[in-house]
This record gives sequence, structure tokens and C-alpha cells, in this order.
Amino acid sequence: DQQVKQNSPSLSVQEGRISILNCDYTNSMFDYFLWYKKYPAEGPTFLISISSIKDKNEDGRFTVFLNKSAKHLSLHIVPSQPGDSAVYFCAARAGGTSYGKLTFGQGTILTVHP
Amino acid sequence: DAGVIQSPRHEVTEMGQEVTLRCKPISGHDYLFWYRQTMMRGLELLIYFNNNVPIDDSGMPEDRFSAKMPNASFSTLKIQPSEPRDSAVYFCASSLLQGQETQYFGPGTRLLVL
Repeated sequence: DQQVKQNSPSLSVQEGRISILNCDYTNSMFDYFLWYKKYPAEGPTFLISISSIKDKNEDGRFTVFLNKSAKHLSLHIVPSQPGDSAVYFCAARAGGTSYGKLTFGQGTILTVHP
Repeated sequence: DAGVIQSPRHEVTEMGQEVTLRCKPISGHDYLFWYRQTMMRGLELLIYFNNNVPIDDSGMPEDRFSAKMPNASFSTLKIQPSEPRDSAVYFCASSLLQGQETQYFGPGTRLLVL
């Protein structure tokens, strides 16, 4: 039962253009969402997050959008740079007794071409 | 701080052998998580600890897997006996009680069971 899904295994974008990575979730108890970035042979690193009380959060070139009614979030990278090439994981947390637990998606491989 | 430390970084073993993966969390962190990454399922949470106590082990695949956290600075994940389908990258992560949504990952242990 995949509660967090990233349906695009890969995405290829030209340098300078926008990258849009998508994530869908099924659990309505999720109240906090995160994006992690992973380079080969390294562990994932935190990128940006958003609480369910917001619909947008921005940090430099990275913006996360949340559509609660559609149970969908997306990560926008503008402009994309070759150094952004990595695997991007979407993650979600439910409140209450599951407070410490994150559920991750399968990941999307982003390739930014010079 | 050195970050989350995992050892070994790579492990090749034969089916039926015991495998022990080790993790040293970031000093002062209250939570410790063990994840497994595969192409098919992405990042799966296996088990997590709070103040050295296992909180949720529902992700542990079967009885062949066990995890311990004897003190705040050390945890092990053991597979006995190992099987080829256990081949994956295993990550350890830690976080603080406050801001625990942001988990800090180690570099991972790449396990290959022949």
C-alpha cells in the first residue's frame, strides 16, 4: 500500500528551464510534507517542507505547492541547474501517534542537461 | 558534528550468512530511523527508536530482521539469515524531538547478498 506515490520515475530538463516534480498521497492524516534530494552514494538531504495549513512554501529556487483537496504536491525548481541532477523523494508525516514517522515515495530521477 | 555514521559502507555476503549493519546517530538526537531503499519500493521505513526505545517496527519485513539500540549513540540492524532479496541500500537517520520532521541521513550501507 503506497501511501505516497511519485508516478514519474524520471524527468529530463534543460538548464535554465523549470523542473516540476510531482507527488500524490492517499492518507488524509498527513499534515506535513517534505522533499529530500539524494546524490549517488550519499544519503538523502532535506530540501524543503510545507505544513498542511499552507499551500505554498518558497526557498530560493525551490517552491513547494500543496493541493490538499487533490492530495497532491509538487516541487518547482526555477531555474534548473546541472547540479540539481539527483533523485528527489517526496515524504509525508501524519500527526498523533505517528508523529516521528515519515512515509517516502519511490523517488524521481531528475537530470538537468547543460 | 560528523553527521550520521554508518558502517560498513559496502557489504557482500552469501545467502544464509548473518549481516550486521551499524549506525551512530548525531549526538543529542532523540530519534533514530532505519530505512531500506530499493528501485521498486523507494525508501521504506523499517523501524524507528525514540530515546533508545523501539516505537514502530511495522516495516520490518520478517523475523529475520532485528534492530537494537543499546544506548543513545549506537544502533544495529541485523539480518539472520540473509537472502538475495535483502540486497538493497540501508540508511540510518536521526532527528531531534523538535524539528523531527527533518531527518538527517547517513551515507548508507550497500548490501549485496549472493
